[in-house]
Amino acid sequence: DAGVIQSPRHEVTEMGQEVTLRCKPISGHDYLFWYRQTMMRGLELLIYFNNNVPIDDSGMPEDRFSAKMPNASFSTLKIQPSEPRDSAVYFCASSPQARAQYFGPGTRLTVL
Amino acid sequence: SQQGEEDPQALSIQEGENATMNCSYKTSINNLQWYRQNSGRGLVHLILIRSNEREKHSGRLRVTLDTSKKSSSLLITASRAADTASYFCATAPLTGTASKLTFGTGTRLQVTL
Repeated sequence: DAGVIQSPRHEVTEMGQEVTLRCKPISGHDYLFWYRQTMMRGLELLIYFNNNVPIDDSGMPEDRFSAKMPNASFSTLKIQPSEPRDSAVYFCASSPQARAQYFGPGTRLTVL
Repeated sequence: SQQGEEDPQALSIQEGENATMNCSYKTSINNLQWYRQNSGRGLVHLILIRSNEREKHSGRLRVTLDTSKKSSSLLITASRAADTASYFCATAPLTGTASKLTFGTGTRLQVTL
């Protein structure tokens, strides 16, 4: 298994632009998580899905952030419009029920 | 504040020595997990210990859990340079979904030759 796949690995964009981050979870995993990691705030859970259904989006910072999971093998996290304070590493992780989470390599986002 | 707080924030040891890092948390848990993160990489799951377990081993790793003190420790024995990384504890809540982990602030471990 290739593990959790994220794309792009790096994204540099200008303030106000739309950013879309993509994730392919490990096949057979029921849960998918989106995290954001910064030096100041550490690792924060943004949203998670169970069987493609959003369960808890209380960590999504504001309406500029949205996430979808149209099927079991794909999820997106969109930021529109992006702001410099959104600069961070965004991780996707998947999990087979309440067990260990498997993280992707992350997307390093820089908003200028 | 973070559910899990690791201590120390940073630790520097020589190869061959043991490394111990601690995690304290605030609310009742279903399980506690430890993860490693190498610089610029995603987190890697190391070990999971359930609330009814007190100690667990995996290779050179030993994890203890004291639910009365709401604390856990991770011991890495005979450390190697390749163990250099940040280590995070993560707690799964007792109520609600046990899949929703809360991560601590991490311990940065440096193992020198």
